[in-house]
Amino acid sequence: SQKIEQNSEALNIQEGKTATLTCNYTNYSPAYLQWYRQDPGRGPVFLLLIRENEKEKRKERLKVTFDTTLKQSLFHITASQPADSATYLCALEGTGGFKTIFGAGTRLFVKA
Amino acid sequence: GAGVSQTPSNKVTEKGKYVELRCDPISGHTALYWYRQSLGQGPEFLIYFQGTGAADDSGLPNDRFFAVRPEGSVSTLKIQRTERGDSAVYLCASSLKDGNEQFFGPGTRLTVL
Repeated sequence: SQKIEQNSEALNIQEGKTATLTCNYTNYSPAYLQWYRQDPGRGPVFLLLIRENEKEKRKERLKVTFDTTLKQSLFHITASQPADSATYLCALEGTGGFKTIFGAGTRLFVKA
Repeated sequence: GAGVSQTPSNKVTEKGKYVELRCDPISGHTALYWYRQSLGQGPEFLIYFQGTGAADDSGLPNDRFFAVRPEGSVSTLKIQRTERGDSAVYLCASSLKDGNEQFFGPGTRLTVL
């Protein structure tokens, strides 16, 4: 069955450092991969989308890579800030829509 | 501008009762998704609408769950004969079309006693 794995353990880093989160998937050939941020008690908020034919995408301090051979995406936050502390979710969507599969998320804590 | 809204924000019900959860998507968004999320887990896909029709309902756990979107805008998720295991946060999201970013509502926290 389709499976997405994200680091289940929380990631603790110091302010100013780069946070790197991993998303691995199996038994799936996604057309798109998305990263979302979720704060406690809130719905997820979209951050970045990368397509299967793209290797890398950047937005301000965020960078996403997508390796369809390794079946892995890496999500980087550079110059991290305490306000970046949240849970980050990886989501996959196949060709033609429709079903979006989310990982369990990785909790990030950025210490001042 | 108005985002996705969901009502009620909280719903407490007794086992065996019927509940309806409502989602108001962003105006003009043709794609609408329902998810449920348990503590410590990511959103679990339930159903996807493109316009008025359910294009993919493969995530609905059983026939107690049903969703409608009669006019291609507001959607209602209906749960019959609720069970304690149905307790979760139910999230709705909309997007311009599939393959685009999804905008999530704040969710409805359902508690079945």
